[in-house]
Amino acid sequence: DTAVSQTPKYLVTQMGNDKSIKCEQNLGHDTMYWYKQDSKKFLKIMFSYNNKELIINETVPNRFSPKSPDKAHLNLHINSLELGDSAVYFCASSQGLADSYNEQFFGPGTRLTVL
Amino acid sequence: QQQVKQSPQSLIVQKGGISIINCAYENTAFDYFPWYQQFPGKGPALLIAIRPDVSEKKEGRFTISFNKSAKQFSLHIMDSQPGDSATYFCAASGTRGRGSTLGRLYFGRGTQLTVWP
Repeated sequence: DTAVSQTPKYLVTQMGNDKSIKCEQNLGHDTMYWYKQDSKKFLKIMFSYNNKELIINETVPNRFSPKSPDKAHLNLHINSLELGDSAVYFCASSQGLADSYNEQFFGPGTRLTVL
Repeated sequence: QQQVKQSPQSLIVQKGGISIINCAYENTAFDYFPWYQQFPGKGPALLIAIRPDVSEKKEGRFTISFNKSAKQFSLHIMDSQPGDSATYFCAASGTRGRGSTLGRLYFGRGTQLTVWP
């Protein structure tokens, strides 16, 4: 059973396009996250939702908009894609109110390439 | 500003040797320090974690050493195996009620470990 799943795994698109990445977790967790991992493997949090409520919103261009239709799903929509958006995007989830002691479970990642 | 500093960037170890990765932090609000392991093409996965009320935690071949006064912690991998070859990330976070560190995992920049057979 896949705990945290993401689709698609690979996404290749042209500059200026709009794209979405979907994430689902079947762990019954309350909190979900989006991370960006750049070409040097640096992991940085972008957003966090708890029970569909946005609780962390890092300094991210407003072209990025997360949406949580329910607590098991957290999608990421990106408008007007730029070359610098090329990265691997990871979804993660944890139990509870983003309590730091709760293990975060990561999805397999979505490799976004903007041409 | 990098909240957690990790070194070395890459590490090559012979099979059976000890791998040591070091991390340092400044923010005294941090009180949870996990290590994540990432294999190519996969997401990071929790390997081991420590809280500052203990100075060492061991799980199998993996040990975290924690020095609260120096604000440093390290991962030791004993009897390193080729299967341990991966990228290792240290991280830090603060508990609830401790301001901006709440619920956020701040990652180090990662260490690429290669274990030669």
